[in-house]
Amino acid sequence: DTAVSQTPKYLVTQMGNDKSIKCEQNLGHDTMYWYKQDSKKFLKIMFSYNNKELIINETVPNRFSPKSPDKAHLNLHINSLELGDSAVYFCASSNLLGYEQYFGPGTRLTVT
Amino acid sequence: AQSVSQHNHHVILSEAASLELGCNYSYGGTVNLFWYVQYPGQHLQLLLKYFSGDPLVKGIKGFEAEFIKSKFSFNLRKPSVQWSDTAEYFCAVAGTNAGKSTFGDGTTLTVKP
Repeated sequence: DTAVSQTPKYLVTQMGNDKSIKCEQNLGHDTMYWYKQDSKKFLKIMFSYNNKELIINETVPNRFSPKSPDKAHLNLHINSLELGDSAVYFCASSNLLGYEQYFGPGTRLTVT
Repeated sequence: AQSVSQHNHHVILSEAASLELGCNYSYGGTVNLFWYVQYPGQHLQLLLKYFSGDPLVKGIKGFEAEFIKSKFSFNLRKPSVQWSDTAEYFCAVAGTNAGKSTFGDGTTLTVKP
């Protein structure tokens, strides 16, 4: 039973499109995150939610909008996709902010 | 602002060699420290963590790390690496007062059989 799951695993789309990535965790954690990993493997935090409330919002373009319908789910919607958005997006969760994180399998987004 | 520096970007070793990956952090308070591993094509997994107590912590797969507070370091070690240890290794730091985690840029470890 997967602890942190993401869908889809792969996403290929054209510039200008809008797409969403979904994340669910069954660990009972209060905190969830979105990270972007680029081609050089650098990992950058984008957002963090604690019990459905946004607590971390790094300098991410407004085209990225997270939504947390409940504390087990954190979705990421991206508007007007650009070539530079191509990356692997990881969802993660932790019991509390600052504790060890459990990562999902990642979504490889390719924008053409 | 907190930051993490991993000095080695790419390390290449032969099997059975010893490993030490450097990690230094900058933060004005007490910290939780982590090492994560990302095997090729996979997601990040926790290798080990330090919250408090014994500064020498042991993790999975024979890895250990030592927290040296005076040096703001948390280096990862393994006495004898295996080919299967080939992966990306990330050091991370978080303030103990519910601070966010900051990840280093990662170290690519390649172990030659």
